[in-house]
Amino acid sequence: AQTVTQSQPEMSVQEAETVTLSCTYDTSESNYYLFWYKQPPSRQMILVIRQEAYKQQNATENRFSVNFQKAAKSFSLKISDSQLGDTAMYFCAFSGRVGNEKLTFGTGTRLTIIP
Amino acid sequence: GAVVSQHPSWVICKSGTSVKIECRSLDFQATTMFWYRQFPKQSLMLMATSNEGSKATYEQGVEKDKFLINHASLTLSTLTVTSAHPEDSSFYICSARGPSSNQPQHFGDGTRLSIL
Repeated sequence: AQTVTQSQPEMSVQEAETVTLSCTYDTSESNYYLFWYKQPPSRQMILVIRQEAYKQQNATENRFSVNFQKAAKSFSLKISDSQLGDTAMYFCAFSGRVGNEKLTFGTGTRLTIIP
Repeated sequence: GAVVSQHPSWVICKSGTSVKIECRSLDFQATTMFWYRQFPKQSLMLMATSNEGSKATYEQGVEKDKFLINHASLTLSTLTVTSAHPEDSSFYICSARGPSSNQPQHFGDGTRLSIL
């Protein structure tokens, strides 16, 4: 079974600064997907970024980038130039490949951007 | 694109009644839909996976007779909480994925269920 661990329950950072959220996982699979989802107070789950395990290049989406270390089973999210709208719960998630697509979520990190 | 609509967004009902929650993929065909439950300040826990035209696969510990899932079409899955009791009060979220396993899950806005 897969496990996803987020060791930072809460974080806060000043607006415009950079923040990194940590995530580690455990799996015996060799190919899989990793995700970061954002859940603002409205509680809608929004996909922030996705990484395919077989791709060595770290995924980036505008101000969001990941540091994927497959050997260490680490998948951190970096938010650059943080904005007030980034305030939310952030969940790291794991999904297997074909036939095992269900998502396993971490416990989440509550991120607050301070004006 | 990839919009998932969930209805209702909030429901309050008396103990003993059954409640149906709908999850629709508006602009794509969802061969697989997932139902999650989220308690306050906690993560999402997968309840079941439903594939169009077949029986849902429930996670361990989830009562299939309590949480009835139907995925009768490529754009609609329903979750019925039967004979709901206060302990069933929670936030329920669905997600949908298209026919390709490379596609990510897209989530509905969730349903807040309160049983009095």
